[in-house]
Amino acid sequence: KAGVTQTPRYLIKTRGQQVTLSCSPISGHRSVSWYQQTPGQGLQFLFEYFSETQRNKGNFPGRFSGRQFSNSRSEMNVSTLELGDSALYLCASSFGAKGGELFFGEGSRLTVL
Amino acid sequence: AQRVTQPEKLLSVFKGAPVELKCNYSYSGSPELFWYVQYSRQRLQLLLRHISRESIKGFTADLNKGETSFHLKKPFAQEEDSAMYYCALSGSGSGNTGKLIFGQGTTLQVKP
Repeated sequence: KAGVTQTPRYLIKTRGQQVTLSCSPISGHRSVSWYQQTPGQGLQFLFEYFSETQRNKGNFPGRFSGRQFSNSRSEMNVSTLELGDSALYLCASSFGAKGGELFFGEGSRLTVL
Repeated sequence: AQRVTQPEKLLSVFKGAPVELKCNYSYSGSPELFWYVQYSRQRLQLLLRHISRESIKGFTADLNKGETSFHLKKPFAQEEDSAMYYCALSGSGSGNTGKLIFGQGTTLQVKP
């Protein structure tokens, strides 16, 4: 079956702009989680959506937001970009059950200039 | 505070040597612990989880609640084990399923 698909894979933005990243989960998965990966902070949890509702949220400013559609596809948005937002953004999907395996996408690499 | 600590950034061993990747955690409750692995040019993927108590690719990990540790072990390392290994924690509540707290990762290098 097809894995988690993230688009775009690479993008370059300038400070102050906004960006939208997309994630298509594995068919049948209802949970989508987003993570930010940087060399300094490692992998940090952004938020999780389950059946179109935000179920968990990490410690990121309100500039980071997301949503999930009825087909489980998810988007995350970062507004007023800062240099420190440069990172690899990973999406992971799962059935949403306790202790379940997360399936990760290849990530969207954002560079903010 | 919830935290996962992997003290070693890099672990280098020779093929056939035993391997132990250390992971310590801090969590007020009963967490679920995982090891995820990322091979070169591949996606991050689950290696094993403590609730399964299984051996995957020869790796095992035992949850030690007294020492709050979840070390990953393999008796004889293979070159194909070279990868980045992440220890991760999930809260025990049903609402924490997609939220993982990751350690900083340990790069395992198995030399021939």
